[in-house]
Amino acid sequence: DTAVSQTPKYLVTQMGNDKSIKCEQNLGHDTMYWYKQDSKKFLKIMFSYNNKELIINETVPNRFSPKSPDKAHLNLHINSLELGDSAVYFCASSPRTGGDYTFGSGTRLTVV
Amino acid sequence: GESVGLHLPTLSVQEGDNSIINCAYSNSASDYFIWYKQESGKGPQFIIDIRSNMDKRQGQRVTVLLNKTVKHLSLQIAATQPGDSAVYFCAEASPPPGRRALTFGSGTRLQVQP
Repeated sequence: DTAVSQTPKYLVTQMGNDKSIKCEQNLGHDTMYWYKQDSKKFLKIMFSYNNKELIINETVPNRFSPKSPDKAHLNLHINSLELGDSAVYFCASSPRTGGDYTFGSGTRLTVV
Repeated sequence: GESVGLHLPTLSVQEGDNSIINCAYSNSASDYFIWYKQESGKGPQFIIDIRSNMDKRQGQRVTVLLNKTVKHLSLQIAATQPGDSAVYFCAEASPPPGRRALTFGSGTRLQVQP
């Protein structure tokens, strides 16, 4: 009965590889987000989707591509991984854009 | 650019004492504020929120105070317990709600000493 679930929880990969992180929410929320948390715990918005429509796309390298097949899913694909991509990536959802968020437990990505 | 920041990166308190975590924000258009708690290895968890038409809101053992004049937000935790040890974030949102995501502050680590 997990509200927002992300897979995988841990991801270790080599530079140059392509990887995907998946997110699903069963809360019936309309809006989903991807946040990146760096080593200093700073949380920064990357993308936001509202009912499968991209509404926020912050300054993120175009190696990062979100995909939302339906409003309950928001996946993140990363091409040509770099060392600086190492971070914890959090998926979140909210019933309306800007409202209270429910976060997933995060995906710790380590690029070696 | 706009930012939300915290005064104290680490706060250490004795079990049973009250804790106060502060946050300054710079976007005067912000109308919605949330405090989140993040435990090790977990995602941020909602604690309490407040809208800009209020200056105080109370929950169970927690109180949020909002001072719009000086753009300051605080979280008060009464009778702090070891389970309160975590990183606390303030976050703000501004209208229009359809085009802005929550902006998070840099976090304060709360350490509760037994």
